[in-house]
Amino acid sequence: DAGVIQSPRHEVTEMGQEVTLRCKPISGHNSLFWYRQTMMRGLELLIYFNNNVPIDDSGMPEDRFSAKMPNASFSTLKIQPSEPRDSAVYFCASSPGREAYGYTFGSGTRLTVV
Amino acid sequence: AQTVTQSQPEMSVQEAETVTLSCTYDTSESDYYLFWYKQPPSRQMILVIRQEAYKQQNATENRFSVNFQKAAKSFSLKISDSQLGDAAMYFCASGNTDKLIFGTGTRLQVFP
Repeated sequence: DAGVIQSPRHEVTEMGQEVTLRCKPISGHNSLFWYRQTMMRGLELLIYFNNNVPIDDSGMPEDRFSAKMPNASFSTLKIQPSEPRDSAVYFCASSPGREAYGYTFGSGTRLTVV
Repeated sequence: AQTVTQSQPEMSVQEAETVTLSCTYDTSESDYYLFWYKQPPSRQMILVIRQEAYKQQNATENRFSVNFQKAAKSFSLKISDSQLGDAAMYFCASGNTDKLIFGTGTRLQVFP
């Protein structure tokens, strides 16, 4: 298995633009998580899905952020409009959902909003 | 609410020596799990070791072992025979299949 695949690896965009981050979880994993990492706040859970259904989005900072999981092999995190304070590394992770094997993380997307 | 605290922002160790990274947590869950993740400069998050809270025996993975003190809610990571490749950020995490809460991390430097 290729692991959790995120794209793009780096994204630079101008303030006000729409940004879409993509994630392909490991096949057979039924839980998917989006985290944001910054120096100030560390790793924050934004939202997680179980069997493609959003379970907890309480970590989504504001309405500018939205996430979807249309099927078991694909998820997106969208920011519209983007702001400089959204600059961070965004991680996607997946888990089998059985017991706690821990999460497998993707390589992350470094987002810079200028 | 669950919290995970790593009180050591930075640690250093000499190659081949042993170092212990501290972690304390707080949870109201009766069934939970604990993890240590490593994040090298490549930023990839790598699972180092995991511990089921219902198990008394401390987990071990090669040079990595934990000291799990459930009553004290303490979960420290011991790295034996440290290698240059161990240099990274280390994150402690607590939770279950639904949600993992991470600590703020400890940066480990390894000196030759």
